[in-house]
Amino acid sequence: AQTVTQSQPEMSVQEAETVTLSCTYDTSESDYYLFWYKQPPSRQMILVIRQEAYKQQNATENRFSVNFQKAAKSFSLKISDSQLGDAAMYFCAYRSALGNEKLTFGTGTRLTIIP
Amino acid sequence: GAVVSQHPSRVICKSGTSVKIECRSLDFQATTMFWYRQFPKQSLMLMATSNEGSKATYEQGVEKDKFLINHASLTLSTLTVTSAHPEDSSFYICSARVLGQANEKLFFGSGTQLSVL
Repeated sequence: AQTVTQSQPEMSVQEAETVTLSCTYDTSESDYYLFWYKQPPSRQMILVIRQEAYKQQNATENRFSVNFQKAAKSFSLKISDSQLGDAAMYFCAYRSALGNEKLTFGTGTRLTIIP
Repeated sequence: GAVVSQHPSRVICKSGTSVKIECRSLDFQATTMFWYRQFPKQSLMLMATSNEGSKATYEQGVEKDKFLINHASLTLSTLTVTSAHPEDSSFYICSARVLGQANEKLFFGSGTQLSVL
């Protein structure tokens, strides 16, 4: 079974600075997808960024980018120019490319933005 | 983007009663929906996969007789918590898969906070 580990329960960053959230995963599969989801206080899950394992290029979405290291099974999220609206729980998630499309989530990192 | 509507957003019920939670895909058809459960300050745990027109697939440890899932149409899946008890109090979230796109995505409902007294 796949597992997703987020070793940072809480992180904080000064507004406008850059922060990196860590995520590692364990799988025996070679084809899969990785995601970062944001859950603000409203508890609505919002997709931040997605990475296909077969792509070597790291995904980017505006101020959000990932460092995908397939061999190391690492998938960190970098948030540049942090804004107050970035404050939320961030979940790393794994999905197999085969069969059921269910997501396996990490335990989350609570990100606080310091004004 | 695609919208998934989940109702109710919050429900309080007495122990022993049943509660139904609805998850609707508003502008797309969803052959597959997923039901997650989230305890306070914890991650989302998949409970079951709901397939339109067939029986739901439950994750290990989830009682299918207690958490009844019905996916009668391509836009609606329901989760019924039967004979609810205080330990069933949790945040329940559904998600639906958007098909037919180059990059298929999952979209989440806004969740339902269930409190059983």
